[in-house]
Order: sequence, then structure tokens, then C-alpha cells
Amino acid sequence: KNQVEQSPQSLIILEGKNCTLQCNYTVSPFSNLRWYKQDTGRGPVSLTIMTFSENTKSNGRYTATLDADTKQSSLHITASQLSDSASYICVVSAGREYGNKLVFGAGTILRVKS
Amino acid sequence: SQTIHQWPATLVQPVGSPLSLECTVEGTSNPNLYWYRQAAGRGLQLLFYSVGIGQISSEVPQNLSASRPQDRQFILSSKKLLLSDSGFYLCAWSGDSYNSPLHFGNGTRLTVT
Repeated sequence: KNQVEQSPQSLIILEGKNCTLQCNYTVSPFSNLRWYKQDTGRGPVSLTIMTFSENTKSNGRYTATLDADTKQSSLHITASQLSDSASYICVVSAGREYGNKLVFGAGTILRVKS
Repeated sequence: SQTIHQWPATLVQPVGSPLSLECTVEGTSNPNLYWYRQAAGRGLQLLFYSVGIGQISSEVPQNLSASRPQDRQFILSSKKLLLSDSGFYLCAWSGDSYNSPLHFGNGTRLTVT
């Protein structure tokens, strides 16, 4: 069964600290992996998209890594800010022959406090 | 630049009443359009997607339907709402490429009472 599991479910960190969010998936065949940020009451916003051949991708203070062999990804946030408080969603796309179907994780809720 | 508009932002409807949520996209042509529902603590669930005018694919049998009367307009409807239809509904668009990101609207919080 195609699944995306995220951990931890929620996380509280102090402003200025770094944190890492995890994503494990069983989606096969694999096309790409995406990370989205969703502020409370808003739609998700794309942070990164990585294909099979990409190991690391950065977007400002956000750095995503992908290990397609172990089917794991992480999102590292550097020097966290209060505005980083949000839900972070990992999404995996199945292959084109499966209509590029997207499988969503349940998200990690991050709270950054001062 | 491309923008996506979704309304209303919040809606409270009684059981058995009809529903119409509207989504429009600007700044792009022939987008792929999607309706998702998000339940608390769970991943987004794809309800409908459309690759062109009048072309609707349903992912999950629901008390809901979707229509695409114009290239950049996507409508989610119900003839009679159920309590279980409550949730956060998100419209999204993407390009044709398999690597094209989804661009979401700001969602509609629907409460069926």
C-alpha cells in the first residue's frame, strides 16, 4: 500500500534553533518528493520538489534531503523564526504510469516560540 | 503571475442543504485543477481532478460532484449536505509536467450543522 509517514507528529522549538522533520514512504514507483508548508487556515505552499536523482535541495533556510534507496526524506530548518510555525507536509508522487498520483503525509506541526 | 481564488473562506450550512464552492485561476491557461479535502490529523484526500473543460475524474465516491464549465473555473457541489461533509476544502492547480508543483487556494472551512 502506498503510504507516507511523517515524524514527529508535532514539535516545539525555541526561536533561532534548528530542527529536522522526517518523512518515510512506501510509494512505488517513485516519481518525485515534495515538501509543503501550510500556515493555519491557509492552503499549502510548495517548498521543494526533488526527483530520484536529487539528494539535496534548498530553499532559503529550508533544506530537503532525499535517500531514494531507503525511501526517506528530511526537511531541515535552520535558524528558525516565529513565522516558521506551521504544518509541514511531505508528498510523494507515483510514476507517470500511475497518473503521477500524489500521496500525502499527515504533516508535522511545528511551533516556534520566543 | 498566476493566482488562484477560492471562496467562500468559511461556510456554515444545515444538513440537507445544497453546496457550491467556486475556484478560479488567473494567469495561466489549460491548468490541471483539483479539489482536495483535509481532515484534522490526516493527509489531504483528492476528491476530483480535471485536465480540461468538461473533463472530471472522481477519486472517491462521495456525496459531492465537480464541474469545470470554463478553462479556469472549477466548482464543487452537493445537492444535499451530510454531517460528514464538514471539513477544509482546498482547490489547487498545476501545470502539465509531472514535476509541476501544486498551487493551492486558501481553502474553505465548511461546517455542516
